Amino acid sequence: GAVVSQHPSRVICKSGTSVKIECRSLDFQATTMFWYRQFPKQSLMLMATSNEGSKATYEQGVEKDKFLINHASLTLSTLTVTSAHPEDSSFYICSARGRRTTNEKLFFGSGTQLSVL
Amino acid sequence: AQSVTQLDSHVSVSEGTPVLLRCNYSSSYSPSLFWYVQHPNKGLQLLLKYTSAATLVKGINGFEAEFKKSETSFHLTKPSAHMSDAAEYFCVVIENAGGTSYGKLTFGQGTILTVHP
Repeated sequence: GAVVSQHPSRVICKSGTSVKIECRSLDFQATTMFWYRQFPKQSLMLMATSNEGSKATYEQGVEKDKFLINHASLTLSTLTVTSAHPEDSSFYICSARGRRTTNEKLFFGSGTQLSVL
Repeated sequence: AQSVTQLDSHVSVSEGTPVLLRCNYSSSYSPSLFWYVQHPNKGLQLLLKYTSAATLVKGINGFEAEFKKSETSFHLTKPSAHMSDAAEYFCVVIENAGGTSYGKLTFGQGTILTVHP
């Protein structure tokens, strides 16, 4: 089946630094990618939706200047957490769907555990 | 608006005994419902989905779920647990407004399944 590769799986960084998370579709063209965040003991919450070549659409309460999303190609989307702070520590996961498929057919990355010291 | 509640954050069973993971949902429109599984360091994998066809849905690895509209439930079951079933399970709903499946995914909080020898 389709594979979505997400890196890194775990990152620890100092407060104030920026962290980039990559999400790649390995065997299909990901026209739409979604980024989720999961705090401990809570649900995965959608942060933003990006379509290839367009600006991302952010959910209410998600700061677009803090969580920069780039989806410049059909196989790669990146999420950059800028000036990370301890409250940004969370589990981030991406998902992708291909052309002419609905949200019933999403493929997920393995997630990134971010810890900000 | 849609929501999903997974009634148990942790479920522990012995190998060979039945598994029941509970999920209740609310949706203003006809929903699509899913169960995803996440093993450590792996992406979310689709176990099964309900999309308005048969109410009893069979998935991979011997899992099945029954959509009960009157109870707004979509519980996941398996007759006999294996050690390899130990993972985190997410119940997910998509609200199909307008009959499409491009709606947002809403995740439950997740249920961690532990299987004892």
